[in-house]
Amino acid sequence: AQSVTQLDSQVPVFEEAPVELRCNYSSSVSVYLFWYVQYPNQGLQLLLKYLSGSTLVKGINGFEAEFNKSQTSFHLRKPSVHISDTAEYFCAVSTSSNTGKLIFGQGTTLQVKP
Amino acid sequence: DGGITQSPKYLFRKEGQNVTLSCEQNLNHDAMYWYRQDPGQGLRLIYYSQIVNDFQKGDIAEGYSVSREKKESFPLTVTSAQKNPTAFYLCASSIQGGVNEQFFGPGTRLTVL
Repeated sequence: AQSVTQLDSQVPVFEEAPVELRCNYSSSVSVYLFWYVQYPNQGLQLLLKYLSGSTLVKGINGFEAEFNKSQTSFHLRKPSVHISDTAEYFCAVSTSSNTGKLIFGQGTTLQVKP
Repeated sequence: DGGITQSPKYLFRKEGQNVTLSCEQNLNHDAMYWYRQDPGQGLRLIYYSQIVNDFQKGDIAEGYSVSREKKESFPLTVTSAQKNPTAFYLCASSIQGGVNEQFFGPGTRLTVL
């Protein structure tokens, strides 16, 4: 069975500093990977996704992620964060092209400090 | 504006009562999903439906029930059999059941007293 592990539950960072949120997955078959963001008391919004092709994926709000098959990772990065990036971030994986079911990680809270 | 609506935003119920959470979408999406969110546990899939009048159990279906009588609606009932129902519930939809972006509603926070 596939699973997703987000290695950090909380990541504090100062404004304008770079950040990396880590995500590792386990699966024996081809995967499709997603990063979502959730602001307090709201639903989730898609940041970016990897389905195939280039392993470096660019998303909204200046975020990007790199798919690394050998390390089974899909880390999310941003070169310079803003206060408004404070939110919870979820990594998710799908291995089925039929049902669209997603398996989510536990989430990482990004706390951007002034 | 197209989107997903969930109502109500906050819901309080007494222990032992069934409660139904509403989810409506006007995106013309075929697939719909219900997730439960608890602190530190991410999102867990309760039920999903890929087509009208059909649905499948997710990972934590016990104590919940759903129906899919219309394409745009996928209500979730939290029954008295659910041992720990207090949580944040999220509904989502996608174009098809394949690998497509899931669009999420704003969520319903259920508190059972």
